[in-house]
Amino acid sequence: RKEVEQDPGPFNVPEGATVAFNCTYSNSASQSFFWYRQDCRKEPKLLMSVYSSGNEDGRFTAQLNRASQYISLLIRDSKLSDSATYLCVVRGSGGGADGLTFGKGTHLIIQP
Amino acid sequence: NAGVMQNPRHLVRRRGQEARLRCSPMKGHSHVYWYRQLPEEGLKFMVYLQKENIIDESGMPKERFSAEFPKEGPSILRIQQVVRGDSAAYFCASSSSTGLAGRSSYEQYFGPGTRLTVT
Repeated sequence: RKEVEQDPGPFNVPEGATVAFNCTYSNSASQSFFWYRQDCRKEPKLLMSVYSSGNEDGRFTAQLNRASQYISLLIRDSKLSDSATYLCVVRGSGGGADGLTFGKGTHLIIQP
Repeated sequence: NAGVMQNPRHLVRRRGQEARLRCSPMKGHSHVYWYRQLPEEGLKFMVYLQKENIIDESGMPKERFSAEFPKEGPSILRIQQVVRGDSAAYFCASSSSTGLAGRSSYEQYFGPGTRLTVT
């Protein structure tokens, strides 16, 4: 079983729609959770950390379910600029105690 | 407020040569991490360093790869006798010592990467 698993997509979504991604992780001892976005041939950029209580940042909402070992990201009122690959990232899950373990990403395309 | 800096951005080496990749962490950050992204693959952790110390090298290949973070100067990822399979994007990330009190998240910020091509 992969350590961090995501649906690769692509998700083709009209502008203004709401889109949700899920991600599962295999190591129940994992300690920290993040969503990064990566544009083509660029570095990953931190989108948000994911806390047990859930957190929201503008149009983005992240949730963590430790019992089921999954993380979600919800994007409301999607913009063309949201088109990117979204990476589910876990710390303390096989990438060394402090290294991050990345999913392969979910590719999102927002269509006008 | 410079972010993580990496150089060179692109590096071409012939098989058998050495590749040296440099990373300067974000100001105020003392923790450096190296990751490799092979074509069509996710990022893979390689090594975690603090000044003059390798903390975790569990993701480093056993041979030809080494990393250092000297007291002065950038962190260096060194690949000796490169082979075609080493062609990849190598990203460096940095973090501060601890996350926010009570909501520690150990957020890592990435540099623009070095794209290594072995011919």
